[in-house]
Amino acid sequence: KQEVTQIPAALSVPEGENLVLNCSFTDSAIYNLQWFRQDPGKGLTSLLLIQSSQREQTSGRLNASLDKSSGRSTLYIAASQPGDSATYLCAVRVDYKLSFGAGTTVTVRA
Amino acid sequence: IAGITQAPTSQILAAGRRMTLRCTQDMRHNAMYWYRQDLGLGLRLIHYSNTAGTTGKGEVPDGYSVSRANTDDFPLTLASAVPSQTSVYFCASSGGFNTEAFFGQGTRLTVV
Repeated sequence: KQEVTQIPAALSVPEGENLVLNCSFTDSAIYNLQWFRQDPGKGLTSLLLIQSSQREQTSGRLNASLDKSSGRSTLYIAASQPGDSATYLCAVRVDYKLSFGAGTTVTVRA
Repeated sequence: IAGITQAPTSQILAAGRRMTLRCTQDMRHNAMYWYRQDLGLGLRLIHYSNTAGTTGKGEVPDGYSVSRANTDDFPLTLASAVPSQTSVYFCASSGGFNTEAFFGQGTRLTVV
C-alpha cells in the first residue's frame, strides 16, 4: 500500500522567506505526483503536476522537484507572501488512484 | 469556466435517509472520482470511473454507490446514511490516469 508522508505538519514563516515543503512516498512505481493547495473550507486547487519521467516543474514562484528512486518530492515557494497561507497537499498517482499526504499547513506572517 | 460543480454545498441529513450528491464537469474528462476528507484521516477514495459506463471501488466504498451514465455526471448515493458518513465529500476529474486532476469545491455532509 502506498504511504505518503508530509513533513512538517505545520510551518510558520515571516513574509519574504522561502518555503520548503517535503513529501515522501513508499512505492516509487508512480505515474505522476501532484501538488495541491487547500484554503480553509474550500476545495483543492492544483498547483503543479510532475510526471514520473520529469525531475522538476516550475510555475511562477513555485518549483517542485521529484526524485522517484528515493521516493521524495519538494515544493519550493520563493519569497512567501501572506496570501500563500494555506494547507499544501501532495498526491501520488498509481493507475486510477491518487494517494494523498496529510498536508503541511503554512502560515506566512506579515 | 465552471470546471467541476458539486451540489449541494452543505446538507444536514437524518440517519437512515437516502441522499445523492451531485457532480458535473464540463471539461470532457474521461476519469472521475469521489473522495471524502476527514480530520486526521486525510483524503480517501470512495469510488472512481475511468470512462462513461464503468465504475470501480476505492479504499472506502461501503455504504456508497455511484453511476456514470454519461461523461459529465458522476453522482454519489448514500442508500441509508449513518453518522460515520459525516464528512466533506469532493468530486474530482482528470483526462486520464496520467493527467492533472481537478477538484470541486466540496459538499459538507452532516448525518445526525
